[in-house]
Parts: sequence; structure tokens; C-alpha cells
Amino acid sequence: SQKIEQNSEALNIQEGKTATLTCNYTNYSPAYLQWYRQDPGRGPVFLLLIRENEKEKRKERLKVTFDTTLKQSLFHITASQPADSATYLCALVLGFQKLVFGTGTRLLVSP
Amino acid sequence: SQTIHQWPATLVQPVGSPLSLECTVEGTSNPNLYWYRQAAGRGLQLLFYSVGIGQISSEVPQNLSASRPQDRQFILSSKKLLLSDSGFYLCAWRAGQAQLIDEQYFGPGTRLTVT
Repeated sequence: SQKIEQNSEALNIQEGKTATLTCNYTNYSPAYLQWYRQDPGRGPVFLLLIRENEKEKRKERLKVTFDTTLKQSLFHITASQPADSATYLCALVLGFQKLVFGTGTRLLVSP
Repeated sequence: SQTIHQWPATLVQPVGSPLSLECTVEGTSNPNLYWYRQAAGRGLQLLFYSVGIGQISSEVPQNLSASRPQDRQFILSSKKLLLSDSGFYLCAWRAGQAQLIDEQYFGPGTRLTVT
């Protein structure tokens, strides 16, 4: 069956450290992958998109990798801040119209 | 700039009652529109998407329906709600340009509780 797996347990880190979140998928062949941030009671907000022929993408303190052989994407936040605390969702782009989301990983950054 | 609105923000409805959730987008034309549901502890599930007026694609068989009566208006409906319809309903849009992969923009959501 098709699955997108993100760590369901919350990730707790200290301010200033690098947070690394994992997204694994099976039985999909996405050409693109996106990461979103969702705060409680709010809609997701787009962060980054990475294409299958890109190994890595950066935006300010964010970095995403995409390994189509391992069927895995890693999302890094360097120099994390308490304001980075939120749930982070990965989404596979299946065709130009549809996104399939993982369940998300909650990140808690302590001061 | 573009803005997406959803209403109501919260809704409590009894089982068997009808439902109508509305989503409107401002500042863009011919957007692709999407309805998602997020149940507690679960990921976003795509329910419907639309690439134009009157064009609706359903992703999951259920007792919900969607309509797009105007270019920037998307409505989610049900004739009789079930307990399992409870959840956080999100509307989203993206630029309606074929072959272009880009992000989706989400509305503030409607929290539906069916009692």
C-alpha cells in the first residue's frame, strides 16, 4: 500500500540546535516534494519545494534533501528558535494538481 | 495580493443535519481549488479539487459533495452529517497554470464537530 511516514512523536530540542525531521514514503514516485508548517488551529503554510533531480534545497535556516533511491526527505532547521515550534508536514506532489500529505511531526524548541 | 476566506470558523452540528462550508479567494483568477479534511491525529486528506467552474473531482467516496458556482468560490456540502465527518476542513488554492508545480495556499479552516 502507499504510505507517507513522518515521526508521530514530538521532537524536542534546545534553542540553537539543528532540528532534523524525516519523511519516508513507499509505493509512490513523486517528481516533487514540499514541506509545510502548521501552527495549532491554522492552515499549513508552504516552506520549500524540491524536485526529484535536486539533492538539496536551502532557504535561510531551512534545508531539505530528497533521496529518491531511499524514498526519503530530510528537513533541517539550523539555529532553531522557540518560534520554530510547530508541526511540519511533508507532501508528495502527484501530478500538478494533487498533494498527498504525511501526518506531520511536531517540533518543540525550548529556550 | 491574494486572500483566501473560509466560513464559518467553527460549527457544531447534530448527526443527520445538512452542511454547507464556503471558501472564496480574492486577488487571483482561474485558481485551482481544493478541499481537505484533517481529523484529529491524522494528516490532511484531499477530498475534492476543481480546475474550473463546475468542474469537480472527488478523491474519496463519502457523503460529502463540492460545487464551484463561481470562479473563486468553492462550496463543501452534505445532506446528512455523520459523526465521522467531524474534523478540521481546509480550503486551498494554487495558481491555475498547467504544468507548473508550485505551492498551495491554505485558508484559516473550519472546525466542524458533529454531535
